[in-house]
Amino acid sequence: DQQVKQNSPSLSVQEGRISILNCDYTNSMFDYFLWYKKYPAEGPTFLISISSIKDKNEDGRFTVFLNKSAKHLSLHIVPSQPGDSAVYFCAAFLLSGNTPLVFGKGTRLSVIA
Amino acid sequence: DARVTQTPRHKVTEMGQEVTMRCQPILGHNTVFWYRQTMMQGLELLAYFRNRAPLDDSGMPKDRFSAEMPDATLATLKIQPSEPRDSAVYFCASGHSGRADNEQFFGPGTRLTVL
Repeated sequence: DQQVKQNSPSLSVQEGRISILNCDYTNSMFDYFLWYKKYPAEGPTFLISISSIKDKNEDGRFTVFLNKSAKHLSLHIVPSQPGDSAVYFCAAFLLSGNTPLVFGKGTRLSVIA
Repeated sequence: DARVTQTPRHKVTEMGQEVTMRCQPILGHNTVFWYRQTMMQGLELLAYFRNRAPLDDSGMPKDRFSAEMPDATLATLKIQPSEPRDSAVYFCASGHSGRADNEQFFGPGTRLTVL
């Protein structure tokens, strides 16, 4: 039973346009959500996070939106650059008990020049 | 520049052989995680430790996989005997349980191929 779902395995976007990566979750008790980015032959690296008490967090070209009622979050990249081409993983966890991150299966983003 | 290191980076072995993967977490981190990445399952948690104590290894096939932390600077994941279906990339990550956002720092992974 996947608690964190990324239903789009891949996404292609033209350079300069907006990339929107989506993530749905089933556990309404999750306290924190994170996005990780992964290049081939490297480990995932942390990109941006959001607490469940917020609905938006912005860091440069990256913004994460959280819709708790819909149990949905999205990562917006504006403007998209070829270097953003990577696999993006959505993850979530519960603060109580320091539970490990629960990851989605990832979405491969290709930014076309 | 603190990073998680993993050895070996690549391993090709024959079915039935023992495989040991090693991880050195970032100094000062007290949580260590082992993940396996496959096309079908994405990033699966295999095991994790806090302060060297195993907290959860329910993601591991217990009959063949074992994870240990002999000391704070070394975590190991062992497969014995290995099978072709174990072929995947295995990642180690470390973090600190005191961080509210639970950020984990990943190593570069060990790509395992079992023939």
